[in-house]
Amino acid sequence: TQLLEQSPQFLSIQEGENLTVYCNSSSVFSSLQWYRQEPGEGPVLLVTVVTGGEVKKLKRLTFQFGDARKDSSLHITAAQPGDTGLYLCAGARGATNKLIFGTGTLLAVQP
Amino acid sequence: NAGVTQTPKFQVLKTGQSMTLQCAQDMNHEYMSWYRQDPGMGLRLIHYSVGAGITDQGEVPNGYNVSRSTTEDFPLRLLSAAPSQTSVYFCASSYAGLAGGRADTQYFGPGTRLTVL
Repeated sequence: TQLLEQSPQFLSIQEGENLTVYCNSSSVFSSLQWYRQEPGEGPVLLVTVVTGGEVKKLKRLTFQFGDARKDSSLHITAAQPGDTGLYLCAGARGATNKLIFGTGTLLAVQP
Repeated sequence: NAGVTQTPKFQVLKTGQSMTLQCAQDMNHEYMSWYRQDPGMGLRLIHYSVGAGITDQGEVPNGYNVSRSTTEDFPLRLLSAAPSQTSVYFCASSYAGLAGGRADTQYFGPGTRLTVL
């Protein structure tokens, strides 16, 4: 059972365009993380959001946690080829560090 | 610090063979996990450990064994490899579990690409 669904699954855009990636669930998470993974490497943490409605910015990336803590979005402004990669959301539930990962969004930014 | 290291990087097995995927971290992290990554399915948790001597099952534990005799090492054993275990395997570690309600940062190794024929 996949608890976290990401959309879109694939995204190919031109440099300079804006985009939004969505991470949705019917379950409530105590916190939600976004990771980026480049080919041949492991995922690297971008951000952790904890509070419902929380918005965090990391340069051109804006992350939002839904009010009910069931969903999240990642918005990239003026995408660059260096933003290319697989974006994964991951939600934490319960008292352990067990993360539920989303299905992933593969982003390709063409120069 | 080397961070999280995994060996081997690539492995080809025949159905029925057994092998151990190695994972080590030098950050003195208590939490370690094994995930498998398959196309369109993100990462799925196989087994995890909250400290030396303590392990528990994740989402997809069947066909895999783990042990944690030291803080640094967390090997994953495939008992009798099957083609369904063809995947990329990632080991991850973190300092703590939930701290103040938020999941701690997980540090991932570079992965082991396993093919079972």
